Amino acid sequence: SQQGEEDPQALSIQEGENATMNCSYKTSINNLQWYRQNSGRGLVHLILIRSNEREKHSGRLRVTLDTSKKSSSLLITASRAADTASYFCATDLNQAGTALIFGKGTTLSVSS
Amino acid sequence: GAGVSQTPSNKVTEKGKYVELRCDPISGHTALYWYRQSLGQGPEFLIYFQGTGAADDSGLPNDRFFAVRPEGSVSTLKIQRTERGDSAVYLCASSPFGGGEQFFGPGTRLTVL
Repeated sequence: SQQGEEDPQALSIQEGENATMNCSYKTSINNLQWYRQNSGRGLVHLILIRSNEREKHSGRLRVTLDTSKKSSSLLITASRAADTASYFCATDLNQAGTALIFGKGTTLSVSS
Repeated sequence: GAGVSQTPSNKVTEKGKYVELRCDPISGHTALYWYRQSLGQGPEFLIYFQGTGAADDSGLPNDRFFAVRPEGSVSTLKIQRTERGDSAVYLCASSPFGGGEQFFGPGTRLTVL
């Protein structure tokens, strides 16, 4: 079963616009991570936010975490065509925080 | 430095055959993970190694699937009596220790005819 569920499933925007993706999960977590995947192959880690953090920034990325609502959001500002990819949130499978459970992902398309 | 590598990149086999998929993690990473990803889905956890031992194999779907990591570095995922439902991209990841950011390989696309 999948812990995280991303919303929306697909998102199409123009270059320069912001993109917001949301993730909901079911059980308590140690941390939540966001990954990007191009062309259905290897995933690239974007950002990790711990359960005691509420917001984190990395370049054009901003991630928020609301543990009371069991939800997270990923904001990509000033999007570029190169941001076109699938984005997944991932949470801990177990209390040791080792293996991850991924959602189905949001497919982002940025057109120039 | 070198990232996680997986071989082969593509594997086509017939139903009932045996396959082995190889993963070379980043040097020095003690944790290694296998995931499986079907079309339109997120990766699904299969097994996690800490060093040479399988610390968590709860994601293996059945006893046709087996993985080893005999020297704590390279890992091999073995699938016996393959079925068409095993077709997927098999992803390997490693991390310096258990937990935290994982570094993924490019995956092996397995097609069972």
